[in-house]
Amino acid sequence: AQSVTQLGSHVSVSEGALVLLRCNYSSSVPPYLFWYVQYPNQGLQLLLKYTTGATLVKGINGFEAEFKKSETSFHLTKPSAHMSDAAEYFCAAPEAAPGAGSYQLTFGKGTKLSVIP
Amino acid sequence: EPEVTQTPSHQVTQMGQEVILRCVPISNHLYFYWYRQILGQKVEFLVSFYNNEISEKSEIFDDQFSVERPDGSNFTLKIRSTKLEDSAMYFCASSDEWGYEQYFGPGTRLTVT
Repeated sequence: AQSVTQLGSHVSVSEGALVLLRCNYSSSVPPYLFWYVQYPNQGLQLLLKYTTGATLVKGINGFEAEFKKSETSFHLTKPSAHMSDAAEYFCAAPEAAPGAGSYQLTFGKGTKLSVIP
Repeated sequence: EPEVTQTPSHQVTQMGQEVILRCVPISNHLYFYWYRQILGQKVEFLVSFYNNEISEKSEIFDDQFSVERPDGSNFTLKIRSTKLEDSAMYFCASSDEWGYEQYFGPGTRLTVT
């Protein structure tokens, strides 16, 4: 079974500072990895996804993530934090390769990002 | 942009009562899911549904839970006799035939008293 670990349940950054949210996964099958964002009182919105190909993936709102197989990591970054980035961020991995039909997502525990003015 | 909708946004019920949580997935999607998030914990998979039957279910999805697609648009989760520990946010999701992205609804917060 997949295991997704997010280091840091709460991260605070100053507005304009670098955002780094960490995610590590364990898997014996080629991974497909996702970052979701949850704004207060809203559902989960896909930020970006890694399937195959380029290991640096760009998503919405200026976020990007780099898939590093050697480190089993998929850390999320943004060069300059904005107040509107304050939300909870979830890393997720599927139990089976997408394209094979339905699959369940395994989520990390989430990291709450606070942006200090 | 098409989106997954869920009703109600918040449901309060007494222990032992039945509840039905409703979802309208994106219209051309084929795979449907329910997840839950107990306050302060991670999002957990409950069940997936395809072609009018359950594809996969987790250990959490016991005999108290059932899912149904009663018509061409709705997808429901029923809890027959709610327990205090069923209090959580319940998310519905759907994906297309390729399954690379699951689209989530805004969730239903279930409070069991």
